[in-house]
Amino acid sequence: DVKVTQSSRYLVKRTGEKVFLECVQDMDHENMFWYRQDPGLGLRLIYFSYDVKMKEKGDIPEGYSVSREKKERFSLILESASTNQTSMYLCASFPSGSRAGELFFGEGSRLTVL
Amino acid sequence: RKEVEQDPGPFNVPEGATVAFNCTYSNSASQSFFWYRQDCRKEPKLLMSVYSSGNEDGRFTAQLNRASQYISLLIRDSKLSDSATYLCVAHTGGGNKLTFGTGTQLKVEL
Repeated sequence: DVKVTQSSRYLVKRTGEKVFLECVQDMDHENMFWYRQDPGLGLRLIYFSYDVKMKEKGDIPEGYSVSREKKERFSLILESASTNQTSMYLCASFPSGSRAGELFFGEGSRLTVL
Repeated sequence: RKEVEQDPGPFNVPEGATVAFNCTYSNSASQSFFWYRQDCRKEPKLLMSVYSSGNEDGRFTAQLNRASQYISLLIRDSKLSDSATYLCVAHTGGGNKLTFGTGTQLKVEL
């Protein structure tokens, strides 16, 4: 089974703090994604990556950056957390050659910014 | 108008009932569609993919109507364990652009 692991299930941070959310997948997938999910808004794409050291902005990249130094790891960084970044963050992956919509998700990281 | 729209529900149905959800999409260039299931406070998991007119997997049937731009999900013989939120997803273009609906909540009751 594909395993997508997010490092923290629940985090509480203060406004202005730097926040790192880590995601690791164990199936050698090329494509990795970071979404946030908010009530009434659905899942919105923050950033995605097709390969190591490669990144593309999604629909809502402002206030976020990402890092993909190794194929299995895709990190989301909040340089200076703000209260409007309180959300559920979901990492997902799928392999090249597979269908773009057939994603494997991590369990999610619920971030609260005070 | 949202690109992918779903009735948020909740749909409350008795065990054993048949229930159907619709999902409408606005971008006629959308090529393929997916239904995900998401349990409370859990991650979404792929339920079905729809690439042509429809797909069937056991008690679950998905239908695509390109002329009217909607996808439906039919669940027959509902189980208590079917209680979840069902997310509709549209894939548009040659890249990885996926648009998620906000989900339809299903509650199956005794």
